[in-house]
Amino acid sequence: TQLLEQSPQFLSIQEGENLTVYCNSSSVFSSLQWYRQEPGEGPVLLVTVVTGGEVKKLKRLTFQFGDARKDSSLHITAAQPGDTGLYLCAGEGDSGTYKYIFGTGTRLKVLA
Amino acid sequence: DAGITQSPRHKVTETGTPVTLRCHQTENHRYMYWYRQDPGHGLRLIHYSYGVKDTDKGEVSDGYSVSRSKTEDFLLTLESATSSQTSVYFCAISRTSGGDGELFFGEGSRLTVL
Repeated sequence: TQLLEQSPQFLSIQEGENLTVYCNSSSVFSSLQWYRQEPGEGPVLLVTVVTGGEVKKLKRLTFQFGDARKDSSLHITAAQPGDTGLYLCAGEGDSGTYKYIFGTGTRLKVLA
Repeated sequence: DAGITQSPRHKVTETGTPVTLRCHQTENHRYMYWYRQDPGHGLRLIHYSYGVKDTDKGEVSDGYSVSRSKTEDFLLTLESATSSQTSVYFCAISRTSGGDGELFFGEGSRLTVL
């Protein structure tokens, strides 16, 4: 069974700072997804990366899929308090099973 | 709005009692999932379904059973609740054929087992 490890687990930064969150595995994934979750709500999909080396941008968020499709990163430029939340990466554990597993999450707090 | 409704949203029960959580979708999607969320563990897959009466186990299925007798409903049952099953439970659907991992979640059901 594939595992996804995220780092850091917690991150508290000042508004305007940049940050990077990492999602790593020893296994290859056909695609990886990033979600953001706010308190009291379910996770909401931000992006899916599919091709090794792919870079996707969503406003101030930049997502990258590793060349070997074993890792991904999320970079936030000039963080804002509205970026506060739990960031989760996810992928299909055991290819072809449609069983989607999640990383342990990175809890981000952006201070005004 | 992904058309997913979970019920109940909050429940407090005692150890040893049965509990059933319901997930209802209005969009007729094939794949449905149950996850639990605990601090430090992200989301862990309990069971999932790929069609009516077609289900499979996830990472943490012990102590849980599921049923799907209709496309729109996916039930999660704790036959005899234990304190370790205190958690927030999320239902999710896959809007596509299921192969791209894009899941849409309900609002969660918070279960407390005393």
